[in-house]
Amino acid sequence: DVKVTQSSRYLVKRTGEKVFLECVQDMDHENMFWYRQDPGLGLRLIYFSYDVKMKEKGDIPEGYSVSREKKERFSLILESASTNQTSMYLCASSPRTGVNEQYFGPGTRLTVT
Amino acid sequence: AQSVTQPDIHITVSEGASLELRCNYSYGATPYLFWYVQSPGQGLQLLLKYFSGDTLVQGIKGFEAEFKRSQSSFNLRKPSVHWSDAAEYFCAVLSGGYQKVTFGIGTKLQVIP
Repeated sequence: DVKVTQSSRYLVKRTGEKVFLECVQDMDHENMFWYRQDPGLGLRLIYFSYDVKMKEKGDIPEGYSVSREKKERFSLILESASTNQTSMYLCASSPRTGVNEQYFGPGTRLTVT
Repeated sequence: AQSVTQPDIHITVSEGASLELRCNYSYGATPYLFWYVQSPGQGLQLLLKYFSGDTLVQGIKGFEAEFKRSQSSFNLRKPSVHWSDAAEYFCAVLSGGYQKVTFGIGTKLQVIP
């Protein structure tokens, strides 16, 4: 089975802190994604990556950056956390070839105080 | 731009009753469609997908969905709901390269005894 893991289930940070969310997948997938999920807004794509060191902005990249130094790992970085970044963050991966679904991690619930 | 509409934010059904969750999409070409389920505090799990062929698609946990091009719909159904089906359900459409997906805002299902 595909496994996507996220470094923390729950995280509490203070305003202005730099925050790292880590995601690791074990199925050699080329594509990886970061979403945030908010009530009434569904899932919104922040960034995605289609290869090591490659990244593309999603729909709401402001205030975020990403890093993909290894194929299996995709990190989301909040340079200076703000309260409006309190949310559930979901990581996903998928193979590049063909048409495929995305495989999701369990999510990280981030609270910024 | 591709979009997905889930008109029902909350649905309550009695255990044992039938279920239909609505999904409408906006997409110019043949769409690739998905239904995902998210149990409380969890990531998303794929229920089923439609890429081509038979318009009635069977999925896991006894769910099925029917693709209707004339109505731009991909409604999810289950003949008899179990209490464990209480969750949030997301319809999604493949919306770009690298397996990018656009999600609906979700329908939260409550099951009452």
